[in-house]
Amino acid sequence: KNQVEQSPQSLIILEGKNCTLQCNYTVSPFSNLRWYKQDTGRGPVSLTIMTFSENTKSNGRYTATLDADTKQSSLHITASQLSDSASYICVVSAGTGANNLFFGTGTRLTVIP
Amino acid sequence: EPEVTQTPSHQVTQMGQEVILRCVPISNHLYFYWYRQILGQKVEFLVSFYNNEISEKSEIFDDQFSVERPDGSNFTLKIRSTKLEDSAMYFCASRPTSVQETQYFGPGTRLLVL
Repeated sequence: KNQVEQSPQSLIILEGKNCTLQCNYTVSPFSNLRWYKQDTGRGPVSLTIMTFSENTKSNGRYTATLDADTKQSSLHITASQLSDSASYICVVSAGTGANNLFFGTGTRLTVIP
Repeated sequence: EPEVTQTPSHQVTQMGQEVILRCVPISNHLYFYWYRQILGQKVEFLVSFYNNEISEKSEIFDDQFSVERPDGSNFTLKIRSTKLEDSAMYFCASRPTSVQETQYFGPGTRLLVL
């Protein structure tokens, strides 16, 4: 069964600290993996997209890693800011077509001063 | 920067009523989508639309739902005879062309069915 599991479910960190969010998937075949940031009451915004051959991709203070062998991805946030408070959603694509997108439930990150 | 817009931001309706959710995708995009997210749950795919017809739909997208692109800019989701379980956040998304390009999501419409 194609599934995307994220951990932790929620996380609270102090402003300025780093954190790492995890995504494990069983989606097959694998096409790509995306991390989205979703602010409360807003639509998801893409942070990174990684294909099978990519191990690491950065977008500012966000760095995503992908291990296609173990089917794991992580999103590392450096020097967190209050504006990083949001849900972070891992989405795995099993090929072409929107029906082949599998969404995780997200990690709710809260950054406190 | 161009954005996907959605109206209304919130909609409250009585069970059994029909609602139309509206989206204006980014102007040069060719593929359009509707998703929903029940409170506390995952985002779920409903339907994709390309070249003025549905290209894919999920099991959720039954006869109660329909989509339309009535003019060159709007993309609508109609829900007939709403049920309590239709209460959710509905997101519209669009993308330009190839399958590897990212979908851009709108801010969503929060639908509450009473």
